[in-house]
Amino acid sequence: AQSVAQPEDQVNVAEGNPLTVKCTYSVSGNPYLFWYVQYPNRGLQFLLKYITGDNLVKGSYGFEAEFNKSQTSFHLKKPSALVSDSALYFCAVRDITTDSWGKLQFGAGTQVVVTP
Amino acid sequence: DTEVTQTPKHLVMGMTNKKSLKCEQHMGHRAMYWYKQKAKKPPELMFVYSYEKLSINESVPSRFSPECPNSSLLNLHLHALQPEDSALYLCASTSSAGQGGYGYTFGSGTRLTVV
Repeated sequence: AQSVAQPEDQVNVAEGNPLTVKCTYSVSGNPYLFWYVQYPNRGLQFLLKYITGDNLVKGSYGFEAEFNKSQTSFHLKKPSALVSDSALYFCAVRDITTDSWGKLQFGAGTQVVVTP
Repeated sequence: DTEVTQTPKHLVMGMTNKKSLKCEQHMGHRAMYWYKQKAKKPPELMFVYSYEKLSINESVPSRFSPECPNSSLLNLHLHALQPEDSALYLCASTSSAGQGGYGYTFGSGTRLTVV
């Protein structure tokens, strides 16, 4: 079984400050990890993914995430937040060892609010 | 073309109506997915199609009927829906179900309201 936890329902940050959105995962095999962002009344936009290789992954719009196998975490970070980063963020995992059908398991989501 | 296109963007239907949602991609992806998403909640998987064959049905009520006429097109036929079925319906695709390492592309969704 695979699962994802996003422990914070909402993260508030002032514009220009660093932004971190937390994600921990649980899989029995090897994970593929993803971050998506969703703006109101829109679909999911891909930010970045970890498949293999370098633990630090750089993605779209200045976001990055660090894969930490020992802590089973994949936190999303941005050095300097913008008001336009205000949105709903989802972490997702796929256990590539046990899943043959590409079933993504999403976390509950974290609402990011960036104030001017 | 790197998009998944969903139509219509909005749909209002009565509980006795029959309607269809459409999803189209021209990226050569052979795995396509339907998700249902309630407001402020994560997407929930409904169906998985792999090489135009239904591979996964996540115990979805029969009032939802998926169809994959060809490798580029995925439909979701709706009949006798309930108000609680009102949600954002998202379509996604990836290169193949066994891969997924290339990422998943999501459409913008169809906002469905059942009255």
